[in-house]
Amino acid sequence: EPEVTQTPSHQVTQMGQEVILRCVPISNHLYFYWYRQILGQKVEFLVSFYNNEISEKSEIFDDQFSVERPDGSNFTLKIRSTKLEDSAMYFCARGVSGEQYFGPGTRLTVT
Amino acid sequence: EDKVVQSPLSLVVHEGDTVTLNCSYEVTNFRSLLWYKQEKKAPTFLFMLTSSGIEKKSGRLSSILDNKELFSILNITATQTGDSAVYLCAVNSGGSNYKLTFGKGTLLTVNP
Repeated sequence: EPEVTQTPSHQVTQMGQEVILRCVPISNHLYFYWYRQILGQKVEFLVSFYNNEISEKSEIFDDQFSVERPDGSNFTLKIRSTKLEDSAMYFCARGVSGEQYFGPGTRLTVT
Repeated sequence: EDKVVQSPLSLVVHEGDTVTLNCSYEVTNFRSLLWYKQEKKAPTFLFMLTSSGIEKKSGRLSSILDNKELFSILNITATQTGDSAVYLCAVNSGGSNYKLTFGKGTLLTVNP
């Protein structure tokens, strides 16, 4: 059983468009993370979210990115104006006692 | 800048072989080291290691950490074709729920 679910599984968008990627935890947890993996490259940290606030973010997580937990359940990553280089797998993960469990990912393709 | 280096980058073995995957790290404020298996999509959690010299074991997989020499190994005995995957090493270098810094991974191919 997945620790979190993510929707959509695949999103195709045009450059300059806004996208929202969603993460739904199976149970109630406090720590969430977003990572991305560009094809053939390392998994890279984007942002961590604790108790409904950003606790840490990477250099990649610039002004075009935002995270929210709008209804206390779903956890979203918004990319305001997508670029070609945003094409990647985006993973949501939940954390418990230092262990992190990844969702199945959303493949974002920017054309 | 935190650094995690895995070796080898790829490895091809025959079913039944034993393999050892390596992960070395240079990070400030080390907290823990995690191993993941990545098949087609998401990384699947295998182990978290925090204490040096204590082996973690799950079936044919085992792992140990040396936080003096700053490395960890992942052993897989009696490999099977289903073990074929990318094995990722990641280090937590902040608090217990801080970000993970990943290595590039080792691509393991197990041939029948």
